[in-house]
Amino acid sequence: NAGVTQTPKFQVLKTGQSMTLQCAQDMNHNSMYWYRQDPGMGLRLIYYSASEGTTDKGEVPNGYNVSRLNKREFSLRLESAAPSQTSVYFCASSPGFGYTFGSGTRLTVV
Amino acid sequence: RKEVEQDPGPFNVPEGATVAFNCTYSNSASQSFFWYRQDCRKEPKLLMSVYSSGNEDGRFTAQLNRASQYISLLIRDSKLSDSATYLCVVTLNTGGFKTIFGAGTRLFVKA
Repeated sequence: NAGVTQTPKFQVLKTGQSMTLQCAQDMNHNSMYWYRQDPGMGLRLIYYSASEGTTDKGEVPNGYNVSRLNKREFSLRLESAAPSQTSVYFCASSPGFGYTFGSGTRLTVV
Repeated sequence: RKEVEQDPGPFNVPEGATVAFNCTYSNSASQSFFWYRQDCRKEPKLLMSVYSSGNEDGRFTAQLNRASQYISLLIRDSKLSDSATYLCVVTLNTGGFKTIFGAGTRLFVKA
C-alpha cells in the first residue's frame, strides 16, 4: 500500500524561483493537508482541502497556493521562493480521524 | 503561551526504564487528543489516541486530565527502538475543527 506519496524528496531553490510539490493518496480520503515543520516548532498547517473541489487557508498560507486536482491529488506551489520557506513539508490525508503523512520534502531556499 | 506545550527534552534513558512525557494544552474546547511518533528525518505516525478513561497499548499508556488540561504518555520497559520524537496533538472545535501539533519531546534510549 502506497498511502501518501510526495515528490520530490529533496529540493534546493534559488530565491525567486517557483516550484510545485506533488502529493497523491490512494486511500480514498476526502481531506488532504499541507504542513510545514521547522525546528522547535510543531507542524503548522499551510492549506487544507476538506473535499475535492475545496481548499482553505491554514495558519501560514502566505507565499503558497494549492490545487486539489482530484480526490487523490493535492499540490502545493511556491510562486516565488524565499529563504523563510526553507523547511520540511509534509502532505497528509485523513478519513476524518487521524492523519497519514507522506515521507516529506526537504526544501532549501538559498 | 503556546496552545500545545511539550518539554522538548531530550530524555536520555537506559533500556528497560520507564519514562513519562506530559503535554499541556491551553484551550478548554479541545476535544480529541493523540500521540504521534516521529523518527529522525521521517514522517509522523499515529501512535495512539488518548481517551478520558485512559488507554493502554502494550508498553504504552496514555492518559488525559481534562481538569488540569494535560495529557501524558508512559512508556514502560523502554527499547532502543523507542528512540524517537513524540508529538502531542490536540484537535478542537471552534466553529470548525482545528488540529494543533506540539513541537515534540525527543527520547533517546541507550543500551
